[in-house]
Amino acid sequence: EIVLTQSPATLSLSPGERVTLSCRASQSVSSSLTWYQQKPGQTPRLLIYDASTRATGIPARFTGSGSGTDFTLSINGLEPEDFAVYYCHQNRILHSFGGGTKVEIK
Amino acid sequence: QVQMVQSGSELKRPGASVKISCKASGYTFSTFGINWLRQAPGQGLEWMGWIDTKNGKPLYVQGFTGRFVFSLDIPVTTAYLEISSLKSEDSGLYYCARSGNFDYWGQGTLVTVSS
Repeated sequence: EIVLTQSPATLSLSPGERVTLSCRASQSVSSSLTWYQQKPGQTPRLLIYDASTRATGIPARFTGSGSGTDFTLSINGLEPEDFAVYYCHQNRILHSFGGGTKVEIK
Repeated sequence: QVQMVQSGSELKRPGASVKISCKASGYTFSTFGINWLRQAPGQGLEWMGWIDTKNGKPLYVQGFTGRFVFSLDIPVTTAYLEISSLKSEDSGLYYCARSGNFDYWGQGTLVTVSS
């Protein structure tokens, strides 16, 4: 089983700040890494797939990067609607999710 | 447009069974498998497994074997998750999601197991 570790667990930030979230895999997943955003009471929303490709309708302020075992999701200029929990997910070997990073308002 | 619509919330007693549906529309059903995921209250996402819509073959992840059954009704493009011998720890939000990048999700079905 591939274990995904996200860090940090929580980030307290202000609107307008830049944020970088980390996801580390226990073994290589190549570029088979996706990122989701989940707001309270809502279904997860696909942001990034194949490590760096933005899904349809996702703003350019969201950027994914990395390959192998280390990945990052960056948000360049937090908007009020970006405060949420972010999950990484691999589909290289079966599927697994990271524990999530909560981005909260400072 | 693609839609995945799940059945409504369920309140069950321990030991009972529950069957959740996931109605897919807007695409060719056999093109994508259906995945099932659980989110316990206040927790992250767990992938339970998936069912291949081409041949109906399911795959269950460790921890979701035995009491969990995935099935299909292909003519009505609907997938089902049945959980038997319910326990309190089965309580949570259950999602279906289309295979690939999980680009489309159902709205979730809340299952509460309580005496």
